[in-house]
Amino acid sequence: DIQMTQSPSSLSASVGDRVTITCRSSQSISNYLNWYQQKPGKAPKLLIYGASSLQSGVPSRFSGSGSGKEFTLTISNLQPEDFATYHCQQTYSTVLTFGGGTKVEI
Amino acid sequence: EVQLVQSGAEVKKPGATVKMSCKVSGYTFTDYYLQWVQQAPGKGLEWMGLVDPENGETVYAEKFQGRVSMTADKSTDTAYMELSSLRSEDTAVYFCATDLKGVTPRFDYWGQGALVTVSS
Repeated sequence: DIQMTQSPSSLSASVGDRVTITCRSSQSISNYLNWYQQKPGKAPKLLIYGASSLQSGVPSRFSGSGSGKEFTLTISNLQPEDFATYHCQQTYSTVLTFGGGTKVEI
Repeated sequence: EVQLVQSGAEVKKPGATVKMSCKVSGYTFTDYYLQWVQQAPGKGLEWMGLVDPENGETVYAEKFQGRVSMTADKSTDTAYMELSSLRSEDTAVYFCATDLKGVTPRFDYWGQGALVTVSS
């Protein structure tokens, strides 16, 4: 199975900050990488698909980049509602895998 | 409006079987794969497998192979996930999610989750 490693596992930030989360895969996955946001007690929400495509309705302060084995999710101008856990997911192989998650805290 | 409504929380004893449902509405049931994801308390997301409601074909993660069964009923637009030989490590929230066929795979709609507690 393809292993997905996110870093950092948690970070502290302030409103207005620019935050970058990294996701690395154990083998090349082209651009088959999605990002999700999850708040406590809620289901994940799709933010970015295909490494850099913004899901409909997601604010433009979220952006994704990367290809191959290294990807980033950037949140510019962090808002109070952005404090959550972020998960990456590879969909390159039939067996799908998620990263371990990154918790963004105040 | 697309909605996925999952069945309620369950408490099971070790060795038992749990079967949960995911009722979908707002889209053509057979246009999407139905995916299942496990999330243990305080842990990350783990993909369990998928069912294709069109033909019932399934793909399961190796971790759950032999203990999981995913089905879909086209007459009621409902997907089911059954997990057997439950152990304490199966205590988790289970989510269903949709994945539109024919496009870059992504889980765009999710159910609210169903908590399964395995305890003697």
